[in-house]
Order: sequence, then C-alpha cells, then structure tokens
Amino acid sequence: DAGVTQSPTHLIKTRGQQVTLRCSPKSGHDTVSWYQQALGQGPQFIFQYYEEEERQRGNFPDRFSGHQFPNYSSELNVNALLLGDSALYLCASSLHRDNSPLHFGNGTRLTVT
Amino acid sequence: AQSVSQHNHHVILSEAASLELGCNYSYGGTVNLFWYVQYPGQHLQLLLKYFSGDPLVKGIKGFEAEFIKSKFSFNLRKPSVQWSDTAEYFCAATQGSFNKFYFGSGTKLNVKP
Repeated sequence: DAGVTQSPTHLIKTRGQQVTLRCSPKSGHDTVSWYQQALGQGPQFIFQYYEEEERQRGNFPDRFSGHQFPNYSSELNVNALLLGDSALYLCASSLHRDNSPLHFGNGTRLTVT
Repeated sequence: AQSVSQHNHHVILSEAASLELGCNYSYGGTVNLFWYVQYPGQHLQLLLKYFSGDPLVKGIKGFEAEFIKSKFSFNLRKPSVQWSDTAEYFCAATQGSFNKFYFGSGTKLNVKP
C-alpha cells in the first residue's frame, strides 16, 4: 500500500489536448509535490502545494498548473500537450517541515501521440 | 542550482557480491541527502536519509551510506547483495528549502542468482 494514490494509472492523449492528473496524499500529510520522470531519467520537480497554494516551482512552463483542495488532495493540469510531455508523473506527499521525506505514489503514465 | 549525479547507470552483480553506488551533489551549503529505491512494478521507497551527525547512516535491508562532505558524495553500500535487491536506486538531495528534491538519473541494479 503506497499510501499516496494517483489516478489514472495510464493515459493517452493527443498533441494540443489538455490533461488532469489526480493525487490523494498519505493520511496525515499536508504537502503535495509533483514530479515528472522521463524515460531513463530521475524525477524532476514540477511544483509543490501547501495550504492550497503553489509554494515552489521547478523549471516547467506555465502550461503546467495545479491545485490543492482543502482535504490536501491535488491535481496537476497540463495544457497544449506536446510529445515531450510523455512521461511518468509522480505525486509525492510529505509534512510541511524541513527534512520530511517524500512518500510517492505509483504514478500516472502519460503518453502523448 | 543544485544537481545530483549518479555515474553508474547500470550495475550487474552476482549474489553475495558487495555493492557501492556513487552519488555526488553540487550544492555547497547545508544539504539533506536521501537514497530511494524502486523495485520492479512498485513505487519509490525511502531507503535511508542523512540530515546531520554521524556521516555513516544505516537504512533498511542492510543498506548504508556515507556522507563525505569534502567529496560532495553520498555513496550507497551493501556488503552482500541478494537477488531481491534488483531494483533502480535514486540518490536525492534537498537544499534546505521545504521538500524541493533534486534527483539523480538513477542506477539500475541487476543481481544475478
């Protein structure tokens, strides 16, 4: 049991479309971060949400946006999909304090054709 | 910006062999270091972490890692690997801000029975 749940597990979209990925954090966690893991690469930080606000952002364009709900769950939205957006998208939850390890979900595999 | 390097992309060992996976980070300030493991078909799991204190940290399943500040390294070791250690291993670092993790590109370990 991962504790962090993500949906859907797989998704196929066409270039130019929009996609929404969902994440429920581990019970007791209040912070959600999203990572993109391209094939053969390590996870890359997209952004982090705490108290329903984006707190930090990695080097990703504005096409990538998110939301956090009062129950701490989160969504990742990607607009105007490009072929290069094909990747595994990982959600990680943690406590909002320094040194809190990340707990990961199984990810959503997005394929853009 | 901080970066994490893992120079061993693919390691093949026989059971009972000793393991050492390299990890180097670029940030010169306070750094928190982690090793995560991803078993086939499973989510990323925390193996061990270093925040401060004793530079030799012990994790689950007999793994340990040594923080060497002068070398900017945090290598992962295990004296005797098992077939069940077959997985991908990721080194990660945070630069003190809340939970913005930088990951290496990962090392795939294949242990032959």
